[in-house]
Amino acid sequence: GAVVSQHPSRVICKSGTSVKIECRSLDFQATTMFWYRQFPKQSLMLMATSNEGSKATYEQGVEKDKFLINHASLTLSTLTVTSAHPEDSSFYICSAKLQGSGELFFGEGSRLTVL
Amino acid sequence: AQSVSQHNHHVILSEAASLELGCNYSYGGTVNLFWYVQYPGQHLQLLLKYFSGDPLVKGIKGFEAEFIKSKFSFNLRKPSVQWSDTAEYFCAVNARAAGNKLTFGGGTRVLVKP
Repeated sequence: GAVVSQHPSRVICKSGTSVKIECRSLDFQATTMFWYRQFPKQSLMLMATSNEGSKATYEQGVEKDKFLINHASLTLSTLTVTSAHPEDSSFYICSAKLQGSGELFFGEGSRLTVL
Repeated sequence: AQSVSQHNHHVILSEAASLELGCNYSYGGTVNLFWYVQYPGQHLQLLLKYFSGDPLVKGIKGFEAEFIKSKFSFNLRKPSVQWSDTAEYFCAVNARAAGNKLTFGGGTRVLVKP
């Protein structure tokens, strides 16, 4: 099946720094990608919908200036956590929508720890 | 707002036992329903999905789910589990009118004892 890859899988950073997470669809093109956040022992919460060539659509309560999303190509979306704080520590997961079937394929997730 | 409820947070059972995980959603209208599985250390994978047609859906690895529209339910079942079914299971729903945004249930951690 289609493969979605995230990088890095784990990142530790200091408070106040910015961290970029990449989401790539390896063998298909995705005009739409989604970014989720998963807290420990909780479900995935949709943060934003990333559309190639246009601005991302953020869910209510998600800070646009905090979580910058760029979908510059049909195979790559990036999430940048700006001025990270310990409360941003979480597991971030992306998914890419396969054109045609509309099926979603998920990345392996990126665990962010902010010290 | 649509919501998805999974009633069991943790399930522990022995190999060969039958498994049923409950999932209810609150959204009216046309819905697409999914069950995803996350094995330890791995990413989410699609087990099965329902878009339309036969409400009894067969998925991978011997799983099936039944869509009961009147009960707003989409329960997952497996007649005989294996140790390798130890994982976290997520029910998810989207409404076409909502732009294919998936809403996930809280997840159910399943531990199968050998």
